[in-house]
Amino acid sequence: DVKVTQSSRYLVKRTGEKVFLECVQDMDHENMFWYRQDPGLGLRLIYFSYDVKMKEKGDIPEGYSVSREKKERFSLILESASTNQTSMYLCASSSPAGTGFYSNQPQHFGDGTRLSIL
Amino acid sequence: DAKTTQPNSMESNEEEPVHLPCNHSTISGTDYIHWYRQLPSQGPEYVIHGLTSNVNNRMASLAIAEDRKSSTLILHRATLRDAAVYYCILRDVVKNSGCSNYKLTFGKGTLLTVNP
Repeated sequence: DVKVTQSSRYLVKRTGEKVFLECVQDMDHENMFWYRQDPGLGLRLIYFSYDVKMKEKGDIPEGYSVSREKKERFSLILESASTNQTSMYLCASSSPAGTGFYSNQPQHFGDGTRLSIL
Repeated sequence: DAKTTQPNSMESNEEEPVHLPCNHSTISGTDYIHWYRQLPSQGPEYVIHGLTSNVNNRMASLAIAEDRKSSTLILHRATLRDAAVYYCILRDVVKNSGCSNYKLTFGKGTLLTVNP
């Protein structure tokens, strides 16, 4: 089974701190994703990466950056944490859809990091 | 992004079938329909996906309307462990350097309660 591991289940940080959320997957997946989940808003994509050192902005990238130095690891960085970044953060990975347009690969999610910014 | 509409909540009894509806009237001809579910305190879990034909797997069945403007996820015998939020999602393709990768835009989903 695919395993996506997020480094912390719960994290408490202070406003202005630089925060690192780590995600590791063990299935040699090319694609990795960071989402945040808030009540009433569902899951929203922050950033994704389709290869080492490659990244693409998702729907809400402001205030975040990412790092993908190794294929198995995708880090989300809050440069200067603010209270409105208090949320549940979810990492996912998948194989690429491939060059054939009619192919799909499921995304495999970690169990999330609940981040509180005080 | 093409959008989906789902009921906020549904209730079912254990060991009975459950039909979870989803409307996607703006679906394009190449949009795949994906279903995920999220159990309490866990990340989302893939359930099933399809394009035009009905699909079956060990978890569920997916019935897609002929005009593709709606679909229904069918759990044949609900168990207490099926209590979760179910998301109906249309895959968005992101093109880059000749390769097509995709993202999933999650809505609010349907909260399924299963009664013993």
